[in-house]
Amino acid sequence: NAGVTQTPKFRVLKTGQSMTLLCAQDMNHEYMYWYRQDPGMGLRLIHYSVGEGTTAKGEVPDGYNVSRLKKQNFLLGLESAAPSQTSVYFCASRPIPSGRITGELFFGEGSRLTVL
Amino acid sequence: LAKTTQPISMDSYEGQEVNITCSHNNIATNDYITWYQQFPSQGPRFIIQGYKTKVTNEVASLFIPADRKSSTLSLPRVSLSDTAVYYCLVGDQAGTALIFGKGTTLSVSS
Repeated sequence: NAGVTQTPKFRVLKTGQSMTLLCAQDMNHEYMYWYRQDPGMGLRLIHYSVGEGTTAKGEVPDGYNVSRLKKQNFLLGLESAAPSQTSVYFCASRPIPSGRITGELFFGEGSRLTVL
Repeated sequence: LAKTTQPISMDSYEGQEVNITCSHNNIATNDYITWYQQFPSQGPRFIIQGYKTKVTNEVASLFIPADRKSSTLSLPRVSLSDTAVYYCLVGDQAGTALIFGKGTTLSVSS
């Protein structure tokens, strides 16, 4: 099973360029998340989605946009990349928990982005 | 949003038991507590989840006191391969935004 797949895995951008990271999951999960992780730091939530057609802001949403046009895909866009957005980006998904609120997150392998 | 506090780092030796405590004073009534492990250059992976009292699986135990304002992950007889960052996670009251804390870096030496 593929689980959560992120593309691309590596990308180098110049300041001001735009790009889109794609996250695809084949587990029919409702919830999807984008996190960023800077060197030696924990994960910070950028945006998340609770279902197809919905998105919401996390801790650090500025400079990013997202879309969830299809249930299995969650796209993260950088309209005008900045060096401060150099990071490793992780996508995660989880199903709607049964009877409880917090459930297990399934993570992708990460996308390493460098902005020069 | 529920926030968690963990020690930044811990050191241990092979074969010892390691206990990592997480504080989550504003945990919501229906929130579960979940622990993740992350190796360098990989995404976090699920270790264990619990609601109250004690939960045990093949790799760890999770102890949660009655007030649920903290939790302790217990790793029995650690090995070098347990060197990783460990995160404690609780859901927010809406149950959708999952915020990670800074994690605890565990270093296991021989």
